[in-house]
Amino acid sequence: GDSVTQMEGPVTLSEEAFLTINCTYTATGYPSLFWYVQYPGEGLQLLLKATKADDKGSNKGFEATYRKETTSFHLEKGSVQVSDSAVYFCALSDRGGGSNYKLTFGKGTLLTVNP
Amino acid sequence: DGGITQSPKYLFRKEGQNVTLSCEQNLNHDAMYWYRQDPGQGLRLIYYSQIVNDFQKGDIAEGYSVSREKKESFPLTVTSAQKNPTAFYLCASSISLSNSPLHFGNGTRLTVT
Repeated sequence: GDSVTQMEGPVTLSEEAFLTINCTYTATGYPSLFWYVQYPGEGLQLLLKATKADDKGSNKGFEATYRKETTSFHLEKGSVQVSDSAVYFCALSDRGGGSNYKLTFGKGTLLTVNP
Repeated sequence: DGGITQSPKYLFRKEGQNVTLSCEQNLNHDAMYWYRQDPGQGLRLIYYSQIVNDFQKGDIAEGYSVSREKKESFPLTVTSAQKNPTAFYLCASSISLSNSPLHFGNGTRLTVT
């Protein structure tokens, strides 16, 4: 079945540091890929998405490129801020051979940015 | 503003009691979902509904029940049969059961003692 593997946290960075959170996936079809962010005490919010190979999703300075050859969707940001401290989830949506799409989440990566 | 409202934010129950978590959306979305979040385990799908009066079991449906009598509402009942009910519960919706992004509520933290 489908699966998403993302780097284990926690990740601790200083403000203005470069961020990479690795995400790789296994899927039977041609999935869409997502990054969601969860701030403390809240639900998840969509951060960015990509629906086909070589697409680049971007939002709020974050970027991720859909790499089919390496089955990856790594999240990057050039200069993190304290307000970026949150849990980041990689996810894929795929039919998996059935008629309905199913969203599969990674386990999440906790990012803490210190001033 | 459109969104998903989950209530209450915190809920405490004694073991052996059923409890119902509320989820309401005004986004006019057809599909709704319930997820459970535990530390280090990501999100696991409990139930989902594609349309009114229809719902399907997710990956961990045992000990839970749902109803979808109105498009806007998708309450989740945690029954006494759920062996480890203490968790953070998230409700979500999407335009349809497709690869459209999910919109999440702010969750309900249930503690059963």
